[in-house]
Amino acid sequence: GQQLNQSPQSMFIQEGEDVSMNCTSSSIFNTWLWYKQDPGEGPVLLIALYKAGELTSNGRLTAQFGITRKDSFLNISASIPSDVGIYFCAGHAGGTSYGKLTFGQGTILTVHP
Amino acid sequence: ETGVTQTPRHLVMGMTNKKSLKCEQHLGHNAMYWYKQSAKKPLELMFVYNFKEQTENNSVPSRFSPECPNSSHLFLHLHTLQPEDSALYLCASSQGTGYEQYFGPGTRLTVT
Repeated sequence: GQQLNQSPQSMFIQEGEDVSMNCTSSSIFNTWLWYKQDPGEGPVLLIALYKAGELTSNGRLTAQFGITRKDSFLNISASIPSDVGIYFCAGHAGGTSYGKLTFGQGTILTVHP
Repeated sequence: ETGVTQTPRHLVMGMTNKKSLKCEQHLGHNAMYWYKQSAKKPLELMFVYNFKEQTENNSVPSRFSPECPNSSHLFLHLHTLQPEDSALYLCASSQGTGYEQYFGPGTRLTVT
């Protein structure tokens, strides 16, 4: 089946630093989504991307839909302690995989004040 | 209530028990989903419902039985579970099955 490789698996950064993470796939996706999950809670949607090359921002977060449609990137600028959590990418291939989101393994972000 | 709600938030059950998880979405969406999240594994899609009809069963064992009486409510009936079924069970909804999904807070299930 389809798989998403998300990296890095974990990051330890100082407050104020910028963060970059990415997701790659061996197959094409029509939609890329980025979620954040806090301990004991469900994932919260951060950004949705629908077109190759699309660059979308949500506050300090910026995500891009890779031009090959096989990757996506998430950047967080000027990190703060509440950015701590697990970040997941998810892709939707469309067609016969209707409704099936494939998730990456997650990036665990720790921010030191 | 807003968004997607799930009850109970925590559940401990023995292997011979029967219990049900409930999900309700207040977003006016047409599609609902059950996911399983185990430690150190990606989220696993279990079931998809679109306009109350099941459109996807991702090879889930029959000890998990979903029910979708209308587009706003989704249940997961559990019986004779195994300890390896212990996980966080997440419900999600979306406007259509090709769009962004919104998750509930999950039910933390422990099977003893």
